[in-house]
Amino acid sequence: GGIITQTPKFLIGQEGQKLTLKCQQNFNHDTMYWYRQDSGKGLRLIYYSITENDLQKGDLSEGYDASREKKSSFSLTVTSAQKNEMAVFLCASSKNSDYTFGSGTRLLVI
Amino acid sequence: GMPVEQNPPALSLYEGADSGLRCNFSTTMKSVQWFQQNHRGRLITLFYLAQGTKENGRLKSTFNSKERYSTLHIKDAQLEDSGTYFCAADSGGSNYKLTFGKGTLLTVTP
Repeated sequence: GGIITQTPKFLIGQEGQKLTLKCQQNFNHDTMYWYRQDSGKGLRLIYYSITENDLQKGDLSEGYDASREKKSSFSLTVTSAQKNEMAVFLCASSKNSDYTFGSGTRLLVI
Repeated sequence: GMPVEQNPPALSLYEGADSGLRCNFSTTMKSVQWFQQNHRGRLITLFYLAQGTKENGRLKSTFNSKERYSTLHIKDAQLEDSGTYFCAADSGGSNYKLTFGKGTLLTVTP
């Protein structure tokens, strides 16, 4: 078995701040994803990466950067946090259709 | 319209009841997955389907690529079935990228 770990679990930021979320997996999965979950809107893809050092934009990439420094880790940066923003960021990894999610990072911007 | 339309947005069931969720797709999808998001926020894979029907305990899912829909049927609902259910579909291509429905919030009461 493996595990996918997101840190931090909770993140409180200030308006305009640059915030970084981290994700690690030990499944040896090639592809990793960052999704944003807002209430009533489902999950929307921000960035994904099919291998180390690869980055692909999703539907919601504006305002975010991502980095796949090594196969096991994928980080997401909110480049300028928006006031009153509240969302859950979910990381996932996959090999073909075998898809595993992390438990999420809950972001609140004050 | 939305690539993946999921209904209903919310569903209340008494223990022991049966019901179903449905996702309609605006285009032909290669495969579909169903996830349950538990109270801790983690998404758990329930089914992966490239075609046809699968059953697992009290859950059954069908995917009809040609007719562009998928269903998830819950039989004899239990309290622990409460949570948010998502369908997510892959339209094909070189990367496995899922597009999610907005989710169904299921509440099971005694």
